[in-house]
Amino acid sequence: NAGVTQTPKFRVLKTGQSMTLLCAQDMNHEYMYWYRQDPGMGLRLIHYSVGEGTTAKGEVPDGYNVSRLKKQNFLLGLESAAPSQTSVYFCASSLHRGPIYEQYFGPGTRLTVT
Amino acid sequence: QQPVQSPQAVILREGEDAVINCSSSKALYSVHWYRQKHGEAPVFLMILLKGGEQKGHDKISASFNEKKQQSSLYLTASQLSYSGTYFCGTALLSNFGNEKLTFGTGTRLTIIP
Repeated sequence: NAGVTQTPKFRVLKTGQSMTLLCAQDMNHEYMYWYRQDPGMGLRLIHYSVGEGTTAKGEVPDGYNVSRLKKQNFLLGLESAAPSQTSVYFCASSLHRGPIYEQYFGPGTRLTVT
Repeated sequence: QQPVQSPQAVILREGEDAVINCSSSKALYSVHWYRQKHGEAPVFLMILLKGGEQKGHDKISASFNEKKQQSSLYLTASQLSYSGTYFCGTALLSNFGNEKLTFGTGTRLTIIP
């Protein structure tokens, strides 16, 4: 099993450009999440999904959109990139057995917006 | 409502013990602990639930004080492999069933030989 994979690993964008980050998991997990990590800020939740076809906003959703058309994929879109979106983006998935669950993280995507 | 972690950083010699704390101003249902090594993804260590249930790795121990909404992670006889940044993630009791975590800003642990 590959676990959680993210594409691409690195990307440099110019202000105003758009892009889509792809997250894929092969563990049949229902829940998927997108986080951003900035120095000294910890992990902040952007959007999440509790199942195929559903999405919800997290703490910092502005400037991002997501889609979960297939259970194994969770896409994060930036329509018009801004320098403030320079960050490391992590995708995660989790399988919930009642209240017990653990999140499995992908390797991250380092995005720089100039 | 981001949980507060302390200390922000700690340096230990191999074999020493450390305690990392996580506190919330709101009532919690669960506390999760993750470790992230430099340049890598966070990795799950432990989950502690209101009511006492917990699940995690054998070599890691932690506590959850429900009255104070505080959790502590205990690292004993530290090894070089324990180095990294430790994050707590909290799930609010008011959001039970919402299945999302709010993470603290992390505690950087450095182990020196």
